[in-house]
This record gives sequence, structure tokens and C-alpha cells, in this order.
Amino acid sequence: EPEVTQTPSHQVTQMGQEVILRCVPISNHLYFYWYRQILGQKVEFLVSFYNNEISEKSEIFDDQFSVERPDGSNFTLKIRSTKLEDSAMYFCASSTPGLAGPDTQYFGPGTRLTVL
Amino acid sequence: DAKTTQPNSMESNEEEPVHLPCNHSTISGTDYIHWYRQLPSQGPEYVIHGLTSNVNNRMASLAIAEDRKSSTLILHRATLRDAAVYYCILSRDDKIIFGKGTRLHILP
Repeated sequence: EPEVTQTPSHQVTQMGQEVILRCVPISNHLYFYWYRQILGQKVEFLVSFYNNEISEKSEIFDDQFSVERPDGSNFTLKIRSTKLEDSAMYFCASSTPGLAGPDTQYFGPGTRLTVL
Repeated sequence: DAKTTQPNSMESNEEEPVHLPCNHSTISGTDYIHWYRQLPSQGPEYVIHGLTSNVNNRMASLAIAEDRKSSTLILHRATLRDAAVYYCILSRDDKIIFGKGTRLHILP
């Protein structure tokens, strides 16, 4: 069964450094998402991406964040200058237009980002 | 986004059915009812969704009240692997807003 993959599984970085989290969505999917989950808290929506542009973003997704689909398979989340509070699990998800309402999203296993 | 209310936690015995309730009294006509779950240390996983009629799939059943103000996720025969946080979500677009969900404990 096709699945969303994410790399790395764990990323440790120093405060102020740039990180890029990578995702390979399911191959025929057209919509891509990033979510994050701070330890012990809810899963939070960050951004959705369709047709090579951001379709919606949350308040969390400020100028420090950017997303890109550099080729036909990868979808990346870049954090330009990491802060301690960026430490979280980051989940990528993808979906494809369906006939039965909002699309089912398929989530990857996540990347644990630790900012020191 | 319309709000859902779920119990914080529930317990069930292994191999018994589990009924997970969700209240959504402010649901609008275009809101779909989605259920996702999150197993320990994993990403969220789609379980089932519906609009008005009850739905069945290989994982679970979804029973939707006639007035659509509540729904129940039914796991027909719980296993230890079903221990997870279950999220009831209303959605009319592609953004998922997760609440705190119900933490389901399965007792062997």
C-alpha cells in the first residue's frame, strides 16, 4: 500500500540554524500538508499546498517557515532560523481530490525536531 | 470550524466492541464527520468519514444521529493495537483541525 515517507526521522539542530524537513507524498496525490505536534499537545495545522503554491496557512506558519516542491516527488518544509519552541514532531500529509467531500489525508511517520 | 466534544479517555476490554461518542451540535449542512486516530509515536491515521448515513469499512463503523448533532465510532472487536487517541473532526475543506480527542485504553 502506498505511504507517505519522511526524512530524517530525528533531526537535532542548534538554535538559529536552518533545517529542511523532507517528505515524499503518495505519488498520485495533489494536495500536500504540514502539521506539527509539540510533545503532549494537539496536532496543529501549519500549511496546505496545491498546484505549486500555498493554499492556506495557519498563524504558526510565519516568515521563518517556507515550503517547496522542488521536483515531482519531494515536498519540503524549511525553517530558516530555528527557535527552541520549534521543537516538535512534524508530520507531512497528502491527499487527492475525492468525490466524497474533503479529501482523506494520509500522514507520514513524522520527523522529530529537537532544537538545542 | 465547528467544534466537537469527546470524552478525554475511555477504557475497553480486549475483544469487546467499543463505542466512542462525539458531540457536534453546531455542525453545518456541508460539514463531513471524519475520524482519525493516532497510535503511540505515530502520525495520525484515517479511520472513517461520513456525511449523513452510517458508514462501514474494514476498520470501523460510523453511526451518525439523524439530526447529525452527534456520532459514534464503533470498533467491533477491540485489540491491543487499537489503543490510540481517536479524533472526531468536522471538515468542509481540506484543513484538519485536531482537538484533544479520546484516549482509548484497551485492557488485556
